[in-house]
Amino acid sequence: GESVGLHLPTLSVQEGDNSIINCAYSNSASDYFIWYKQESGKGPQFIIDIRSNMDKRQGQRVTVLLNKTVKHLSLQIAATQPGDSAVYFCAENPGGGSYIPTFGRGTSLIVHP
Amino acid sequence: EPEVTQTPSHQVTQMGQEVILRCVPISNHLYFYWYRQILGQKVEFLVSFYNNEISEKSEIFDDQFSVERPDGSNFTLKIRSTKLEDSAMYFCASLVGGGTGELFFGEGSRLTVL
Repeated sequence: GESVGLHLPTLSVQEGDNSIINCAYSNSASDYFIWYKQESGKGPQFIIDIRSNMDKRQGQRVTVLLNKTVKHLSLQIAATQPGDSAVYFCAENPGGGSYIPTFGRGTSLIVHP
Repeated sequence: EPEVTQTPSHQVTQMGQEVILRCVPISNHLYFYWYRQILGQKVEFLVSFYNNEISEKSEIFDDQFSVERPDGSNFTLKIRSTKLEDSAMYFCASLVGGGTGELFFGEGSRLTVL
């Protein structure tokens, strides 16, 4: 969900568990969605994307689900590992011919060994 | 693996000073971006650049900001007269071609304005 100031939503899981990170996006005209992972002190790193004409896409250990009816996006990480600990951002492209990924506030994933 | 490189990694400056942040995008990429991230907050779009001109810019990107691709490899962000609230991490990103796709981000330049 939304957060204010420095407080990020946090998800704590045990190594080996599956993780689900949720994101609500704002623009019903958005046509493309991306999940980014940001490790401490580094730039965002692309994980997986999905176009608005799809509702599910799978990658290696990750799955993105898109529900356009409620403007909701989720990232599922299977068999979460300590190296998955990071802040995860969803980003939406507003469409209209431009490509300007617009980031949400992020969720901090903490994986305990 | 090709990567976006940014310099400096950290710059400390006095309020009112000019700052130039430098980026070398991936060599065959055509679209370039600057984003910023205030500590603990979300990544915010500043500007996109293609074919030697600005494609889009946000409200944050006011007259104090400018971008340039002076020599075909570097992509710079200049802040003319820094303010305290410009303190943030600035990320450069590049995209290989038009449409959508993976934005490759650099490691960022941390700007601290005193």
